[in-house]
Amino acid sequence: GQNIDQPTEMTATEGAIVQINCTYQTSGFNGLFWYQQHAGEAPTFLSYNVLDGLEEKGRFSSFLSRSKGYSYLLLKELQMKDSASYLCAVKVGGATNKLIFGTGTLLAVQP
Amino acid sequence: DTAVSQTPKYLVTQMGNDKSIKCEQNLGHDTMYWYKQDSKKFLKIMFSYNNKELIINETVPNRFSPKSPDKAHLNLHINSLELGDSAVYFCASSQGTGLFNEQFFGPGTRLTVL
Repeated sequence: GQNIDQPTEMTATEGAIVQINCTYQTSGFNGLFWYQQHAGEAPTFLSYNVLDGLEEKGRFSSFLSRSKGYSYLLLKELQMKDSASYLCAVKVGGATNKLIFGTGTLLAVQP
Repeated sequence: DTAVSQTPKYLVTQMGNDKSIKCEQNLGHDTMYWYKQDSKKFLKIMFSYNNKELIINETVPNRFSPKSPDKAHLNLHINSLELGDSAVYFCASSQGTGLFNEQFFGPGTRLTVL
């Protein structure tokens, strides 16, 4: 079966750092994606990891450990506009680009 | 604007009706997808087409039938709508199906079945 777990909700303060964790158990692994989804809007791509280690992109970084089935998204210098759902998704399958999504983490940034 | 577009944005209908949702992308991508996002915000793949060929067909009731007339369009027809079909349906597209293929999502269609 396919199982991807994330915390349901998190709260953080403007200007702070927050880490959103994702653990996965999937049949096959071809990379891990993080998407951001604001309320009532479409998911938008944030990051992609296929090798172990940290990928940094501005205020956002994503880490992957394939042996542990674990990833995290790190958001620095939080802004109010970062309040959104963060979706972890694992790519499985060979010839298809099939993404299995976690249930998402709703992040609330408070002043 | 280059994007993935869907129509309609909102769809309210009665149980038992048949309805269609249309999706178009002008990004030049060759692969398109339909996802369902339920009330708990869980996003689940339903179908995918690559160059008009069905490549992903998840366990979806056969009341749902996708159709891809060309690479830029993927429509979803739903027969005999049920209350449980109420959800937001997202269309997405990507270039190819290789290792890294960012999927671009449309704005979603909120379907409410009464």
